[in-house]
Amino acid sequence: AQSVAQPEDQVNVAEGNPLTVKCTYSVSGNPYLFWYVQYPNRGLQFLLKYITGDNLVKGSYGFEAEFNKSQTSFHLKKPSALVSDSALYFCAVRGSGGYNKLIFGAGTRLAVHP
Amino acid sequence: ETGVTQTPRHLVMGMTNKKSLKCEQHLGHNAMYWYKQSAKKPLELMFVYNFKEQTENNSVPSRFSPECPNSSHLFLHLHTLQPEDSALYLCASSQDNRDTYEQYFGPGTRLTVT
Repeated sequence: AQSVAQPEDQVNVAEGNPLTVKCTYSVSGNPYLFWYVQYPNRGLQFLLKYITGDNLVKGSYGFEAEFNKSQTSFHLKKPSALVSDSALYFCAVRGSGGYNKLIFGAGTRLAVHP
Repeated sequence: ETGVTQTPRHLVMGMTNKKSLKCEQHLGHNAMYWYKQSAKKPLELMFVYNFKEQTENNSVPSRFSPECPNSSHLFLHLHTLQPEDSALYLCASSQDNRDTYEQYFGPGTRLTVT
């Protein structure tokens, strides 16, 4: 069965420092992986996806994610964090079936301190 | 967030009331979803509609009744809810084809059951 794990409930980072939000997955077959961000009182916003191709995927707001097949990981990264990046981040994997069902991780709260 | 809209944004209802949540997507997608987001819990997929047909019901209690009259509109009818149903209800849509898999979310309806 497909599953996603986000091992950290919260990540704290100082503004200007690099950030990493971790995600590991378990799928049968090729993984289709996604990152979403949720700001307070808002819906989830799509950041980036990995379907195939380069292992380093670039997305919105300067975020990128690295797909590592051997470690079954898809960590979200940004070279220099901003206070405005503080939000809840969700990793997701496409589930089985003939449609775009997504299985989400529990979420990681990112706090960027000035 | 103009791509997927949800109304109302906030709803307070008693346990004996009947109310409906509305979702509309302006993206030309053919699949729509209802999710429940509770504090400190993973996002829970409730219902999936593809081309107006319900393709998934994740053991959701019958007090939640979805309706999808066309590919652009999705409703969630609520009746005799329980306090534990208080949550953020998110609607999403996607285009079900081989090249795009990401879902786009509305801002959600914050439901409080008293």
